[in-house]
Amino acid sequence: QITLKESGPTLVKPTQTLTLTCTFSGFSLSTSGVGVGWTRQPPGKALEWLALIYWDDDKRYSPSLKSRLTITKDTSKNQVVLIMTNMDPVDTATYYCAHKAGHGNFDYWGQGALVTVSS
Amino acid sequence: DIQMTQSPSTLSASVGDRVTITCRASQTINNWLAWYQQKPGKAPKLLIYKASSLESGVPSRFSGSGSGTEFTLTISSLQPDDFATYYCQQYSSYSRSFGQGTKLEIK
Repeated sequence: QITLKESGPTLVKPTQTLTLTCTFSGFSLSTSGVGVGWTRQPPGKALEWLALIYWDDDKRYSPSLKSRLTITKDTSKNQVVLIMTNMDPVDTATYYCAHKAGHGNFDYWGQGALVTVSS
Repeated sequence: DIQMTQSPSTLSASVGDRVTITCRASQTINNWLAWYQQKPGKAPKLLIYKASSLESGVPSRFSGSGSGTEFTLTISSLQPDDFATYYCQQYSSYSRSFGQGTKLEIK
């Protein structure tokens, strides 16, 4: 059974750096074809894809946020970390991590973590 | 960057209705398109991938079609559990992007 769970701060101040951790079980990020991605959703708004890391450490980022994002994995801990710099109130959102299936899409999602950016 | 545009933004329908949601890509994405359903306070749920392949466990009343730049999600006979927001997502390029969503409401 595949499960994922996001963890990190619920409140960050403007200009600070956000670090979110996705801890998963039921699959290995060293298995060919596997990936873990991050997507966010501001309150009442649409989904926005952020980043994706593959089993071979290939990484993909949203072009509009690429300069602020870093995604890494720790295969031994079954974790993926997303770092977003220079946080702003518009970055207030629920942040989700998800498992990328072999067919390329996100078939299992975490419950989401609400991050509020406010001074 | 590939932009995804869904229409309509809101759709009012009744139980038993057949409904169609459209998604257009700003450039060709072949058939690298997925559809998700999201309910308030919940994570998205994958319904369709590769434009027309039904994800395991998803009811057969959901279907997808299209290729290139224009795609549709059809629900053949709406059930009470189907009232939710639906998103398309392209995954043809090195990045991925979602549409703005279509909220399916009870008429």
